[in-house]
Amino acid sequence: NAGVTQTPKFQVLKTGQSMTLQCAQDMNHNSMYWYRQDPGMGLRLIYYSASEGTTDKGEVPNGYNVSRLNKREFSLRLESAAPSQTSVYFCAAIRDTEAFFGQGTRLTVV
Amino acid sequence: GEDVEQSLFLSVREGDSSVINCTYTDSSSTYLYWYKQEPGAGLQLLTYIFSNMDMKQDQRLTVLLNKKDKHLSLRIADTQTGDSAIYFCAVSFAGNNRKLIWGLGTSLAVNP
Repeated sequence: NAGVTQTPKFQVLKTGQSMTLQCAQDMNHNSMYWYRQDPGMGLRLIYYSASEGTTDKGEVPNGYNVSRLNKREFSLRLESAAPSQTSVYFCAAIRDTEAFFGQGTRLTVV
Repeated sequence: GEDVEQSLFLSVREGDSSVINCTYTDSSSTYLYWYKQEPGAGLQLLTYIFSNMDMKQDQRLTVLLNKKDKHLSLRIADTQTGDSAIYFCAVSFAGNNRKLIWGLGTSLAVNP
């Protein structure tokens, strides 16, 4: 029982490159979230999906897009990476309001 | 708006009790959570309390909720070096589309 799986675990991008962070859950929860975690700033919500087929912006959506491909998968795309997007990214699947987190993707943009 | 605040650092000696505090601004809270994040890992749910409860105990963990003061605390008895981590307070508020509002996290250092 994997819970929430994120790939990749680590990534280094050059400024301007694009990439997609993948997230999959096997818990059959409706809601999925993408957060970024930066030192001294806690968790900030980028985008969330309350159910399959819907997505909404969180606190810091600029520079990101998301796709809720199906109930299991929720991907986060950086179209043109910037150094300010260097961060640790966490995906979470939410049951009611209890959050189950993936292990994170550490992204560095140089 | 809704806000959750925590002190950023706490240092204790092994064997002592740790108390991590959290305050929140909105009185329409429903569930209040404590998550633990170990270095290089994701967040894991430690415990939670429903807003109509005052206290919840689970082995070494005691959660106290003072709803009048909008204050939540997590007490860890007999703190061990393995308890060194960042502890996040999170609050869900009624009518907020079930979103969680997070504190910045308290970094707990346990010294031998």
